[in-house]
Amino acid sequence: KAGVTQTPRYLIKTRGQQVTLSCSPISGHRSVSWYQQTPGQGLQFLFEYFSETQRNKGNFPGRFSGRQFSNSRSEMNVSTLELGDSALYLCASSLAASSDVTGELFFGEGSRLTVL
Amino acid sequence: AQKVTQAQTEISVVEKEDVTLDCVYETRDTTYYLFWYKQPPSGELVFLIRRNSFDEQNEISGRYSWNFQKSTSSFNFTITASQVVDSAVYFCALSRFLGNQFYFGTGTSLTVIP
Repeated sequence: KAGVTQTPRYLIKTRGQQVTLSCSPISGHRSVSWYQQTPGQGLQFLFEYFSETQRNKGNFPGRFSGRQFSNSRSEMNVSTLELGDSALYLCASSLAASSDVTGELFFGEGSRLTVL
Repeated sequence: AQKVTQAQTEISVVEKEDVTLDCVYETRDTTYYLFWYKQPPSGELVFLIRRNSFDEQNEISGRYSWNFQKSTSSFNFTITASQVVDSAVYFCALSRFLGNQFYFGTGTSLTVIP
């Protein structure tokens, strides 16, 4: 069974640009979450999607957005990039049985974004 | 508010030693889940265990064991007879019973020296 796939794995952008990261969850998983990992702040929750609807959102500015498609694949977008957005962005999928129940997260290898 | 504290930032042990990674959590919820994840250098977080707040039984899986104590809000992780392959960053996490939002500790970097 294929795991969570994230693309691209590495990317370099400059300040002011925007970036789109993609995540393909494990087949059958309907919940997709995104986390930002930095040395200073650790792992921080960005948002979670279930059946194309955002149902949880962390404390990040509006420059961070996401969406989920009908096949459960998800994208996150960061606009007007800042130096502080340099991080490893991790996507995780979960076999949540319903729209609320918590399931264990299965993570991808992440997309490492460097903002110059 | 939910919070997870992993006071040990870095630990080094010699191969075959036992090591315990500490995790203390804060929540006002009566029902919640606790997790441990391992992050090797590749970056992918690997799920190790999930425990719900109803179940305080300790669990053992091979060389790994977990000690959940609600009275002290702790969920510690012990590796017995450590191996070089155990070298990684280990994260403890808490989630509410409903909703898939996880709160992670800052992680403990474990180095096992051959």
